[in-house]
Amino acid sequence: DGGITQSPKYLFRKEGQNVTLSCEQNLNHDAMYWYRQDPGQGLRLIYYSQIVNDFQKGDIAEGYSVSREKKESFPLTVTSAQKNPTAFYLCASSRTSGSFDEQYFGPGTRLTVT
Amino acid sequence: AQSVAQPEDQVNVAEGNPLTVKCTYSVSGNPYLFWYVQYPNRGLQFLLKYITGDNLVKGSYGFEAEFNKSQTSFHLKKPSALVSDSALYFCAVRPLREYGNKLVFGAGTILRVKS
Repeated sequence: DGGITQSPKYLFRKEGQNVTLSCEQNLNHDAMYWYRQDPGQGLRLIYYSQIVNDFQKGDIAEGYSVSREKKESFPLTVTSAQKNPTAFYLCASSRTSGSFDEQYFGPGTRLTVT
Repeated sequence: AQSVAQPEDQVNVAEGNPLTVKCTYSVSGNPYLFWYVQYPNRGLQFLLKYITGDNLVKGSYGFEAEFNKSQTSFHLKKPSALVSDSALYFCAVRPLREYGNKLVFGAGTILRVKS
């Protein structure tokens, strides 16, 4: 997991509250990504960013928002509009947005909303 | 639609025996293919990738994978399994015609190696 930090490791929130998950990387990577992992479903892409101040929606962006004001940071906000927010959230980065660069993953944040 | 299939939810193998974790894909054109491993409550770790060239790719921890274009498969293999190999394994594909370095992941296969 080296080089990418996610905080906190566990997060508990009440339904109806927005919550922001932190992701920081010191790998000097241009591209960053947010995935959601649910049991038996693999990873699904929420948002990705190829450069500062630019980001694109992934496959399941509804109910989520992101910002990319600094190269090192790509925070994800889970809004109250997300119908089923309880999941394991993974942040990743890659050297460039080039096709063959592998992605490096952070340790993840497990969000529980009740 | 672009997709990755890992047909086995779980693979069980005895320590010291060879292991295979299967992956097939469906994408337009020739894809880039990846394998990742995940230990409990951890992020994913990169194992290996196929870009072009030799169909047999060698990666970390003694793992290798064989790309078969005619069968659209990219199976992960290891000649001799270790108990410490027990984890969740993901196959992923990067479709060439997609904008950005987006990966499509399979649902994952649990590997259990018993001593």
